[in-house]
Amino acid sequence: DQQVKQNSPSLSVQEGRISILNCDYTNSMFDYFLWYKKYPAEGPTFLISISSIKDKNEDGRFTVFLNKSAKHLSLHIVPSQPGDSAVYFCAAYGNNRLAFGKGNQVVVIP
Amino acid sequence: DAGVIQSPRHEVTEMGQEVTLRCKPISGHDYLFWYRQTMMRGLELLIYFNNNVPIDDSGMPEDRFSAKMPNASFSTLKIQPSEPRDSAVYFCASRVGNSPLHFGNGTRLTVT
Repeated sequence: DQQVKQNSPSLSVQEGRISILNCDYTNSMFDYFLWYKKYPAEGPTFLISISSIKDKNEDGRFTVFLNKSAKHLSLHIVPSQPGDSAVYFCAAYGNNRLAFGKGNQVVVIP
Repeated sequence: DAGVIQSPRHEVTEMGQEVTLRCKPISGHDYLFWYRQTMMRGLELLIYFNNNVPIDDSGMPEDRFSAKMPNASFSTLKIQPSEPRDSAVYFCASRVGNSPLHFGNGTRLTVT
């Protein structure tokens, strides 16, 4: 049972444009959400997070939006850069467990 | 900060053999996690430790899998006997308190 779902597994975007990644979750006990970025042959690295008491968190080019009523969060990257080409994992924390989505492949075209 | 260190990076073994994966967490981190990544199931939590004590092993798929953390700087994940369906990338991660997880670069296991 996948509690964190990332649809549209791959995304191609032109350099300088916005990348938008979406994530849906099913467990209302989740109260903290994270995005991780993964390059090939490396482990995931933490990118940005958001608590359930907020609806937006921004860090440089990265912004995460949370819609609790819809159980939906999104990651915006603007402007996208070639170094952003990676797999992005959405993760949700609750009940002392961190559940991950299956990831979205992002390719930024120079 | 050397990060989380996993060894080996790649392991190829035959079905029925014992496999041992190793992890050195970041110094000072009090939580250690073992995850498995497959195409079908994504990243799955297998087990986690807090202060060297196993807290939740409900993700360990079968009795063939076991994990230990004899001290704060070392953990092992053992599969005995290994099967082809165990082929995956195994990640170790650590954190201190409620901070985000820091992952190692993983061990790619292939069981033939």
